[in-house]
Amino acid sequence: KNQVEQSPQSLIILEGKNCTLQCNYTVSPFSNLRWYKQDTGRGPVSLTIMTFSENTKSNGRYTATLDADTKQSSLHITASQLSDSASYICVVSDRGSTLGRLYFGRGTQLTVWP
Amino acid sequence: EADIYQTPRYLVIGTGKKITLECSQTMGHDKMYWYQQDPGMELHLIHYSYGVNSTEKGDLSSESTVSRIRTEHFPLTLESARPSHTSQYLCASSGSRAEQYFGPGTRLTVT
Repeated sequence: KNQVEQSPQSLIILEGKNCTLQCNYTVSPFSNLRWYKQDTGRGPVSLTIMTFSENTKSNGRYTATLDADTKQSSLHITASQLSDSASYICVVSDRGSTLGRLYFGRGTQLTVWP
Repeated sequence: EADIYQTPRYLVIGTGKKITLECSQTMGHDKMYWYQQDPGMELHLIHYSYGVNSTEKGDLSSESTVSRIRTEHFPLTLESARPSHTSQYLCASSGSRAEQYFGPGTRLTVT
């Protein structure tokens, strides 16, 4: 069964600190992996997207890594800010159809305290 | 920022009422999607469309229906709302790059 598991479920950190969120998946075949940020009451916004051949991608203070062999990804947030408080969702796409089926994790709820 | 819009943003309605959630995008994307998301849970695909006059059911069974008469418009309708329909509904669209852009969502509460 294709699944995407994220950890931790929730995380609280102090402003200015770094943190790393984890994503493990069993989706096969694999097309790409995306990290989204979802603010409360809003739709998800894409942070990074990585294909099989990419093992790291950065977007400002966000750096995503991908190990396609172990089927693991991480999202590292550097020098956290209050505005980073949100749910971070890992999404994996297969290439089994023209639709590009997406498998969503439940997200990690990050809270940044001042 | 993606140009995809949803209205209303919030809706509280009584059981048995018919409702239509609106979704429109100005990016000319062929593919559009409706997702349902409960608090703390993952998004579930309930409907998708490849283009005009094309609609398909997603992975999660839903009593809602959709239509795609125009490229930019993908409304979702519930003929008779029930408390079990209380959820957040997210619309998304994608073009040739397969990147999905999400709207802000509609939070529906059925009393």
